[in-house]
Amino acid sequence: DQQVKQNSPSLSVQEGRISILNCDYTNSMFDYFLWYKKYPAEGPTFLISISSIKDKNEDGRFTVFLNKSAKHLSLHIVPSQPGDSAVYFCAASATGGDKIIFGKGTRLHILP
Amino acid sequence: SQTIHQWPATLVQPVGSPLSLECTVEGTSNPNLYWYRQAAGRGLQLLFYSVGIGQISSEVPQNLSASRPQDRQFILSSKKLLLSDSGFYLCAWSRGRNTGELFFGEGSRLTVL
Repeated sequence: DQQVKQNSPSLSVQEGRISILNCDYTNSMFDYFLWYKKYPAEGPTFLISISSIKDKNEDGRFTVFLNKSAKHLSLHIVPSQPGDSAVYFCAASATGGDKIIFGKGTRLHILP
Repeated sequence: SQTIHQWPATLVQPVGSPLSLECTVEGTSNPNLYWYRQAAGRGLQLLFYSVGIGQISSEVPQNLSASRPQDRQFILSSKKLLLSDSGFYLCAWSRGRNTGELFFGEGSRLTVL
């Protein structure tokens, strides 16, 4: 049973435009959500997070939006840059829990 | 500052052979420790996590096992590897009971032939 779903395996976006990566979750106990970025043959690195008490968190070019009623979150990257080409993982956890569950990832290609 | 290291970085093993991947964390104490696997088309799958020495939680039934002999050491093992064990294994740590971020190691690429 996949608790964190990223339904788009890949996404191509023109450089300078907005990239929108989507994530859905099924477990209503999840209250903290994270995005990670991963380059090939490297470990993922933390990008941005959001707590369920917020519906938006912004850090530079990266903004994460959370819609609790829909159990949906999205990562917006604007403007998209060539170095943003990577696999992006959505992850979720529950307060007091120890597990952090990841989605399958979305491969983002930034086109010149 | 905290660092995490795992080794070996690359491993090619025959089916039926044993496995030992090691991970150590420096610069912190009482971390939560995790083993994830990235297999083709399956994203990051949580295999094991540990909240303390000797405490291991298994997420996926399989022929792998994990041990935590010391506070900052996490070991992934198998007695007999299967072809399906091939993948990119990632060790990670976090600051205790948390909703916070994970810090990942460099990863270990295992190919079972």
